[in-house]
Amino acid sequence: QLQLQESGPGLVKPSETLSLTCTVSGGSISSSSYYWGWIRQPPGKGLEWIGSIYYSGSTYYNPSLKSRVTISVDTSKNQFSLKLSSVTAADTAVYYCAIPNIAANYAMDVWGQGTTVTVYS
Amino acid sequence: EIVLTQSPGTLSLSPGERATLSCRASQSVSSTYLAWYQQKPGQAPRLLLYGASSRATGIPDRISGSGSGTDFTLIISRLEPEDFAVYYCQQYGSSPLWTFGQGTKVEIK
Repeated sequence: QLQLQESGPGLVKPSETLSLTCTVSGGSISSSSYYWGWIRQPPGKGLEWIGSIYYSGSTYYNPSLKSRVTISVDTSKNQFSLKLSSVTAADTAVYYCAIPNIAANYAMDVWGQGTTVTVYS
Repeated sequence: EIVLTQSPGTLSLSPGERATLSCRASQSVSSTYLAWYQQKPGQAPRLLLYGASSRATGIPDRISGSGSGTDFTLIISRLEPEDFAVYYCQQYGSSPLWTFGQGTKVEIK
């Protein structure tokens, strides 16, 4: 059974780049059955899809964040990563990695526990 | 860009009552790509339904979904204590490629 675990700094300074990693266990990140995605949730607010990547390397980003987001895969480590540049206080959120499952019509059926990132000065 | 609007914002009900949650899309969504999630405080979301009405693994049959086009509904037939949470609908396919509604909170009356 696939499991995900986010990791990365909990504090980031304004204008710097937020970098998070999601480690996949219980399966291969090279599987053609899944996309790999990032979602965030600001304090007290709803869910926002940031972007997703397919095993082939194809990436899909939320247009509202596209200019600042890079998602990549490291098959040697079975990980995928998120980089969000030029952060502001509005980027403070819980960041989740999740798996959009093709067999579940692209619904996200596995989620990491989430990691809190605070942008502070 | 597609927008999913959920109503009501908050639903105050007692255990044993029926909950009806609505998700309305600003443009037509294929029911194949409409999902519902449950989120409890401090936890990650949990997939409940995909394809508008197919239950994810382990989801009880008191939870059901329906709808097509721009109007979708999640029904909890008899609320159990563990059902009090926030519920999100989500679509896949229109820009943004994955889009969530703003959520409906089901609270104990």
